[in-house]
Parts: sequence; C-alpha cells; structure tokens
Amino acid sequence: GENVEQHPSTLSVQEGDSAVIKCTYSDSASNYFPWYKQELGKRPQLIIDIRSNVGEKKDQRIAVTLNKTAKHFSLHITETQPEDSAVYFCAASNPNFGNEKLTFGTGTRLTIIP
Amino acid sequence: DTAVSQTPKYLVTQMGNDKSIKCEQNLGHDTMYWYKQDSKKFLKIMFSYNNKELIINETVPNRFSPKSPDKAHLNLHINSLELGDSAVYFCASSQDAGEQFFGPGTRLTVL
Repeated sequence: GENVEQHPSTLSVQEGDSAVIKCTYSDSASNYFPWYKQELGKRPQLIIDIRSNVGEKKDQRIAVTLNKTAKHFSLHITETQPEDSAVYFCAASNPNFGNEKLTFGTGTRLTIIP
Repeated sequence: DTAVSQTPKYLVTQMGNDKSIKCEQNLGHDTMYWYKQDSKKFLKIMFSYNNKELIINETVPNRFSPKSPDKAHLNLHINSLELGDSAVYFCASSQDAGEQFFGPGTRLTVL
C-alpha cells in the first residue's frame, strides 16, 4: 500500500518568514495530493491540493509543488502569520480506489513566532 | 448549516463497554469515512462507504462495526472497548473523490 513520509515533524519560523514542509510517497500510481490544516482542537481542513498533471499550484500565500519523478511534494507558506500556527498534514491517494482512500503523512506542527 | 456533524463530542467510558458514534452530512455527498487520530496526531482511515456500500475496510479489529443506513449517515459501533481505543474519531464525506470534509471529531476516552 501507499506510504507517505512527512518532514519536519515540528517547525518554528519567525512571523513574516517562509515555511516549507516536505512529503514523499511510495506508490507511483498516486495522483492526488491534498494538504490539510488542523488547528488545535479543531477538525482537519483542506487548504490546497494538486493533481499529478500539474507541477505547481498557488493560492495567495500558499503554494504546493509536485515532482512525480522523485515522488515528492512540498507545501510552501510565504509571509507567515500567527494564524498559520497549526498541524499540517500531507496526503496521497491512488486512482485504484477512486481517489477516495487518502494516506496521510505524520503531520508537521508549525509554530509562528511573533 | 453544519456540513458534517458528529455526536457525541466527548465520550468517556469504562473498558469492556459498547458505544456508538453517529455521523451525518448534509452536503449530498456519496462517500463517507471514519478516521482515527491517536495521541500522536496520526490520522488513519478506518472505513469508507459509498452510497451505503462498504468500499474501504482497513485492518481494524472486528470490534469496530460501521453502519450506513443511508448515504447521509455513517455510524460507528465499538464493542468491548479497550484502553487503546482512546483517540479522536473523525467522520468525513466527499463527492467524486474530491475534497474530504471532516466532522468536528469525537474524543473517546476509555478508562
């Protein structure tokens, strides 16, 4: 089955600086890669996703890049703000399951230092 | 206007008891899921139903039994609760393999 590794497990950045979280996946058939943000005590919520037919996607301060050859994808947050503090999860899914089975990474706790 | 709701929010019970968690979505989605998030925050899928049919069943003890009476509801019944079942259980739903919308979670504590 799919295996998703995520690094780092914790990340602290100064407010205004950029943060990068990296994930690798094992199944070359995976073709959908969402990122979820989970604030303390809250539910995970989708912040951005990318499909394997594109290499990069951007939404305001958030961007995701995908390297299919190397089987890794990254989340980039620029101009970080205190409200970006949360746990971030990457995930991968495989069309053999209709893209419905998400395998999550182990999460990155991001702390923005004011 | 809650999209995915779960009850109860908190559940504290003794080892060996049987308990149920209920989930409802009003998004009109065809697919619903149960996830378990342990104390280390690992998020792992347990089950998925599409239009009341079980499509994903991970290696979960058979003490856990999901039931989907209709496509808007997915309940989780747990028999003979064990200490290791303590976790936050999230229900989620999606349509056409799109974004998964999570419920608020149910924090289960087994004493």
